[in-house]
Amino acid sequence: DIVMTQSPLSLPVTPGEPASISCRSSQSLLHSNGHNFFDWYLQKPGQSPQVLIYWGSNRASGVPDRFSGSVSGTDFTLKISRVEAEDVGIYYCMQALQTPYTFGQGTKLEIK
Amino acid sequence: EVQLVESGGGLVQPGGSLRLSCGASGFTFSRYWMHWVRQAPGKGLVWVARTNEDGSTTNYADSVKGRFTISRDNAKDTLFLQINSLRADDTAVYYCATDLGGPNGYWGQGTLVTVST
Repeated sequence: DIVMTQSPLSLPVTPGEPASISCRSSQSLLHSNGHNFFDWYLQKPGQSPQVLIYWGSNRASGVPDRFSGSVSGTDFTLKISRVEAEDVGIYYCMQALQTPYTFGQGTKLEIK
Repeated sequence: EVQLVESGGGLVQPGGSLRLSCGASGFTFSRYWMHWVRQAPGKGLVWVARTNEDGSTTNYADSVKGRFTISRDNAKDTLFLQINSLRADDTAVYYCATDLGGPNGYWGQGTLVTVST
């Protein structure tokens, strides 16, 4: 199985400040079609997960442009340019290249 | 508006069975792979199973293989998960989701399955 390793697991952030979450996959997630089969999700308190980023760097529909994703080999990064109070929750990375799809452990973002 | 609405969860004894349903609307259900993902209380997300557009291909997590069966009825825009031989560690919120890994990913609100005596 592909192992997804997230860091940090806890992330206190001051509103208006930037934030960054990393995820490393145990093997390449690059499909033959040229896309990395990798998503970022946010699970807000009491809600189901919502996709933020797909294919490693594409923002999903309706996601604010303060969220961005980048890829370097097997290293994936989610950046929030200016954290807002509504961004609190648990962020998960996930690989969808092969079954079983696997998730990172989750990063809990909280407001300082 | 895309909607996925799960139902069928509840309290069941160890060894029991349940059939979860996920009703879809707002998109062309028959064009997408569909998935079940679960989350034990206070824990992270775990992928459970998937099925392709016409239901002819299915894949499962090792932990549920042989006990869970994913299926779909495209005429009724509904996804199913038959869960048998339930164990305490199957206790979780079960989410259905579409197009994981793709540009049209949506999740339902989940249905809670509790396995207990």
